[in-house]
Amino acid sequence: EVQLVESGGGLVKPGGSLRLSCAASGFTFSSYSMNWVRQAPGKGLEWVSSISSSSSYIYYADSVKGRFTISRDNAKNSLYLQMNSLRAEDTAVYYCARVKGSPLYYMDVWGKGTTVTVSS
Amino acid sequence: SSELTQDPAVSVALGQTVRITCQGDSLRSYYASWYQQKPGQAPVLVIYGKNNRPSGIPDRFSGSSSGNTASLTITGAQAEDEADYYCNSRDSSGPLWVFGGGTKLTVL
Repeated sequence: EVQLVESGGGLVKPGGSLRLSCAASGFTFSSYSMNWVRQAPGKGLEWVSSISSSSSYIYYADSVKGRFTISRDNAKNSLYLQMNSLRAEDTAVYYCARVKGSPLYYMDVWGKGTTVTVSS
Repeated sequence: SSELTQDPAVSVALGQTVRITCQGDSLRSYYASWYQQKPGQAPVLVIYGKNNRPSGIPDRFSGSSSGNTASLTITGAQAEDEADYYCNSRDSSGPLWVFGGGTKLTVL
């Protein structure tokens, strides 16, 4: 079964750091680009970051650029999101998603999400 | 960066047809994908590309596109289709991604 499982969420104070993980199974992880997408409470979906299959291409939303770092370990079938200098507005459920790329570009497999709460 | 615009809320009578639209400049260059999200659950892909459904998505869901507008149509809406629907595409100005604000579908 194709599956993505996020972990690492929790309560953190403003200015703090957190590292999210996404464990992939049931498919050849190293063949796919991956995305992080978040959803603030009561709000819509927001794309956060993308990483290509070999980590050659990495992109960030302006809202997290310079504070968040996406990475992956293909040997461990894992995706990561290092979040530093966290702000209250980073409070959200964070999803990892598998990317199907050119020419159609869509996210066909999603994890259940992990909740990050930034509060003093 | 690009924006995708959706109507915040749409309603449909049980068994009738409803169209949810998504507008944005990026849709002139890229196909939209559509995601269904029910309360407390992760998004689920329902339509991608010109009009493709993943395995397990009922054929009452269909997609279309014209110019800068993409549409998701549900023909014969069911109670279980009540959910939030999001469109998504690549950003026309770069290798980023953009979501629409979402449409809350109510099945009456």
